Amino acid sequence: GAGVSQSPRYKVAKRGQDVALRCDPISGHVSLFWYQQALGQGPEFLTYFQNEAQLDKSGLPSDRFFAERPEGSVSTLKIQRTQQEDSAVYLCASSPIPLGTQYFGPGTRLTVL
Amino acid sequence: GIQVEQSPPDLILQEGANSTLRCNFSDSVNNLQWFHQNPWGQLINLFYIPSGTKQNGRLSATTVATERYSLLYISSSQTTDSGVYFCAVFGGTSGSRLTFGEGTQLTVNP
Repeated sequence: GAGVSQSPRYKVAKRGQDVALRCDPISGHVSLFWYQQALGQGPEFLTYFQNEAQLDKSGLPSDRFFAERPEGSVSTLKIQRTQQEDSAVYLCASSPIPLGTQYFGPGTRLTVL
Repeated sequence: GIQVEQSPPDLILQEGANSTLRCNFSDSVNNLQWFHQNPWGQLINLFYIPSGTKQNGRLSATTVATERYSLLYISSSQTTDSGVYFCAVFGGTSGSRLTFGEGTQLTVNP
């Protein structure tokens, strides 16, 4: 596709449910990033993949958060046993090369009730 | 990690006015990007500008890496320029992750 796509665009979960968020990067982009954006704040880094390798997961807030990119293309961010504080917009970005320009998807707005 | 500060936090303009947004950062950077986040939440790339000056239509940006700041200029503002403008950098010990500032909320009134 022409840009980064994410699905679903909106997700409502009850506290304690597991959720899976999908990111389709721009075709051929080596690097993929996940960010979390709380209301009224700038995005904050969660994790980074170069191809299928997860090189940095230091931003994941707890062990309930897990990300994968098994074939070096599509990525999934999974949140287990969701909590209200997980409510945020989750943004995916991809870049053609490491340290290159990052292009963002439209985000998934997660609301945990 | 690297710190990013943006100013002003809020800016209200009349259509046609010019403005300057500032981004200060605390360490040397390998990448600096300016984004516009529209009312639907989409982050739109404006500039990739770790140093130097670039122009794109009514927008231009300058980064002075040695003094650790970047400026975004908006000329002849339009109502469609409204939204949040973010500066984001990576460098220092932050690896490839972008560190964002808190943003400047711009409102352009007709």
